[in-house]
Amino acid sequence: GAVVSQHPSWVICKSGTSVKIECRSLDFQATTMFWYRQFPKQSLMLMATSNEGSKATYEQGVEKDKFLINHASLTLSTLTVTSAHPEDSSFYICSASPTGTGNQPQHFGDGTRLSIL
Amino acid sequence: SQKIEQNSEALNIQEGKTATLTCNYTNYSPAYLQWYRQDPGRGPVFLLLIRENEKEKRKERLKVTFDTTLKQSLFHITASQPADSATYLCALDPLSSASKIIFGSGTRLSIRP
Repeated sequence: GAVVSQHPSWVICKSGTSVKIECRSLDFQATTMFWYRQFPKQSLMLMATSNEGSKATYEQGVEKDKFLINHASLTLSTLTVTSAHPEDSSFYICSASPTGTGNQPQHFGDGTRLSIL
Repeated sequence: SQKIEQNSEALNIQEGKTATLTCNYTNYSPAYLQWYRQDPGRGPVFLLLIRENEKEKRKERLKVTFDTTLKQSLFHITASQPADSATYLCALDPLSSASKIIFGSGTRLSIRP
């Protein structure tokens, strides 16, 4: 149980394109999901907390207009990288917890590798 | 400033030995600490969670300790196997008991036959 699916697994696109990444909880409902990015050989950096039915909470230094998050249902959060540039190339990973409370494991998707040419 | 540091960027261990990974944190007061395994190109997979009032947690060949005085967690893999080779990440809740977690820098563990 507690499976999180991410789509697409990889995407290559031209500079200036907007890219949407989906994160789905397959067998549980998630009022809260998290988005991370990871550069090669580095750890995961938390970008934002996605809240179902309300605005996302962004970490310091993350541009909310650049990384649009929508959490319209209890099983789906989307991250849209708007007008992507080569410096946005990274590995983006989402996570969720069935309980949505602290003190519980997070379940991660398998990530989306984004390459901007 | 706030930090979560995993002391070894990379660790090479002979098969069969015990691997010990360290996670130190500064200026946090976590209610719990978690350990994850990450393989290349994959998302992290949860391994163990230990709460602030627990000293030690075990699961099969894995053992985690949590010392809130030292602000440190140790992660042990006993009887290590080549299949244990991966990056191991510690994570904690920066806002005590909230669901948000942030990660340490990670340790790449290699187990040689």
